[in-house]
Amino acid sequence: EAQVTQNPRYLITVTGKKLTVTCSQNMNHEYMSWYRQDPGLGLRQIYYSMNVEVTDKGDVPEGYKVSRKEKRNFPLILESPSPNQTSLYFCASSLRGPPAPYGYTFGSGTRLTVV
Amino acid sequence: EDKVVQSPLSLVVHEGDTVTLNCSYEVTNFRSLLWYKQEKKAPTFLFMLTSSGIEKKSGRLSSILDKKELSSILNITATQTGDSAIYLCAVVGTGTASKLTFGTGTRLQVTL
Repeated sequence: EAQVTQNPRYLITVTGKKLTVTCSQNMNHEYMSWYRQDPGLGLRQIYYSMNVEVTDKGDVPEGYKVSRKEKRNFPLILESPSPNQTSLYFCASSLRGPPAPYGYTFGSGTRLTVV
Repeated sequence: EDKVVQSPLSLVVHEGDTVTLNCSYEVTNFRSLLWYKQEKKAPTFLFMLTSSGIEKKSGRLSSILDKKELSSILNITATQTGDSAIYLCAVVGTGTASKLTFGTGTRLQVTL
């Protein structure tokens, strides 16, 4: 089944403890992106990658890192999480940079709480 | 900076009603507008509208793009409880080929 897989689904962590949210897609998509979703603010892009070893900042990159060593994987790294990074995170992929015929395929989301 | 505004923020209707959701946008060199439905978690794709495809329909759902007014509507006829969700509108412009810019969504609740 074609899909974007994120892990974990839920995570509660403490301030300052490094964490990684994984994202993997099995569709051979070139483009991958991370978004966070907050009430009243909608979905905002954190980072994106047009292809392997090509990444760039989105609208809200502060406090996050990414890497794209393989085409299928695009992990999101929080080196020192803070409470303002509590959010719902989505990984998305597309055959190429948008607009692909069907926009993004989204992962199922990761609910992160930083206390 | 690209901008998408959706209205209303939230609405509650009775099953069987028809609803119209609105999306207005400001984007550099518009390429496309997409509608997504978000139920419990991940948004799922509904429609993509472009300059060459300004009207789409699928079952009870339909969408129209008004390039002159820089807006789009999503119509749902004969609503069902399963239509309850957040509906997201997003746009892509040539200046932002890296991403979709999303609105904050319209929360629709369909009651019996």
